[in-house]
Amino acid sequence: AQKVTQAQTEISVVEKEDVTLDCVYETRDTTYYLFWYKQPPSGELVFLIRRNSFDEQNEISGRYSWNFQKSTSSFNFTITASQVVDSAVYFCALSEAGVQGANSKLTFGKGITLSVRP
Amino acid sequence: KAGVTQTPRYLIKTRGQQVTLSCSPISGHRSVSWYQQTPGQGLQFLFEYFSETQRNKGNFPGRFSGRQFSNSRSEMNVSTLELGDSALYLCASSLSSNTYEQYFGPGTRLTVT
Repeated sequence: AQKVTQAQTEISVVEKEDVTLDCVYETRDTTYYLFWYKQPPSGELVFLIRRNSFDEQNEISGRYSWNFQKSTSSFNFTITASQVVDSAVYFCALSEAGVQGANSKLTFGKGITLSVRP
Repeated sequence: KAGVTQTPRYLIKTRGQQVTLSCSPISGHRSVSWYQQTPGQGLQFLFEYFSETQRNKGNFPGRFSGRQFSNSRSEMNVSTLELGDSALYLCASSLSSNTYEQYFGPGTRLTVT
């Protein structure tokens, strides 16, 4: 069975600090997909990134970066120079590969509540 | 392009009643998935519909059901409501059943008293 663990439940930082959100996953599949979503107070989940199991390259998008390591089954997310607007709940998710790409069923972690103080 | 819309946004029901929630996907999207979010269980997959057919189902009792119409709009129904059904119900749409990014709506907050 698939499982996603986000051991950190709440993180509080001061603006401009860097923060890393951890994600550890379990799956028996050799092909799978990992995701990060952001859920601001409004409640709507916002897609941030998707990574497939064959692509271990790290990715950077502005202040966001992701570190995928299959050897440790981790897919960590770092926010550089955090801002108040980054305050939200962040979810890591996993899906197995369907016939043509990712299966639509996402298995989510419990989420990490990030508070960025001015 | 308009995003995923869900109606109603808030709902209060009594135990034993039934409820129907609606989701309109992004124009052109044919797959709709439903998730339940609660403080205790987190985000859990309910089911997915593609081209009016249920393609995937989570571990929820038969009281939870859904359907999809020819215009890709979807409804989910919960019968014989229980207090534990109080949750945020999120709908997500994607281009096809096997497309990577799912775009979520704002959710329907259901409270069962």
